[in-house]
Amino acid sequence: DAKTTQPNSMESNEEEPVHLPCNHSTISGTDYIHWYRQLPSQGPEYVIHGLTSNVNNRMASLAIAEDRKSSTLILHRATLRDAAVYYCILGTDSWGKLQFGAGTQVVVTP
Amino acid sequence: DTGVSQDPRHKITKRGQNVTFRCDPISEHNRLYWYRQTLGQGPEFLTYFQNEAQLEKSRLLSDRFSAERPKGSFSTLEIQRTEQGDSAMYLCASSPETVYNEQFFGPGTRLTVL
Repeated sequence: DAKTTQPNSMESNEEEPVHLPCNHSTISGTDYIHWYRQLPSQGPEYVIHGLTSNVNNRMASLAIAEDRKSSTLILHRATLRDAAVYYCILGTDSWGKLQFGAGTQVVVTP
Repeated sequence: DTGVSQDPRHKITKRGQNVTFRCDPISEHNRLYWYRQTLGQGPEFLTYFQNEAQLEKSRLLSDRFSAERPKGSFSTLEIQRTEQGDSAMYLCASSPETVYNEQFFGPGTRLTVL
């Protein structure tokens, strides 16, 4: 199964943008790139997903490299509520089994 | 609240006892997943149902673990003869059967085996 590599942690000031990198050099042509996040004491929640093109939604933006070997999740204005572990996951199965790594712990400072 | 619910939220048991957890998915979601999460790690996939059929089980799911989803609605996860290594958060998720399936997670059941 294709793997992802993320930094262990990142720190940001409140109301500043956060760029979370993810490397996935062994991605296959049919793999979706999913991002989920997990707030303290909660189950994970979906953030965004993409295949080849950049994507935007109300929570974040996803920038995908042209060769698809890396991607970046962008939180445009971090709030204290964005402090969470962010997981970058490749979708290797058509029915959507998620294989989480350790993720990136995002710390937001007031 | 129409989200995924799990019961109980916390369970403390003694080694060797059996425990059962329940998951109620979002109605009309025919896909249901169980994951396990230990401290400091991301969730690990355990098993997956499409309607009432259990389509895949992880090798993490030993013979002491069994999951059911009768009638394709709620699901139960039973652990027999619990061991201290079973202590973890057990997460349930559901999703609709679409080309892309966003998974909706429940709050989890925290199991502590003494």
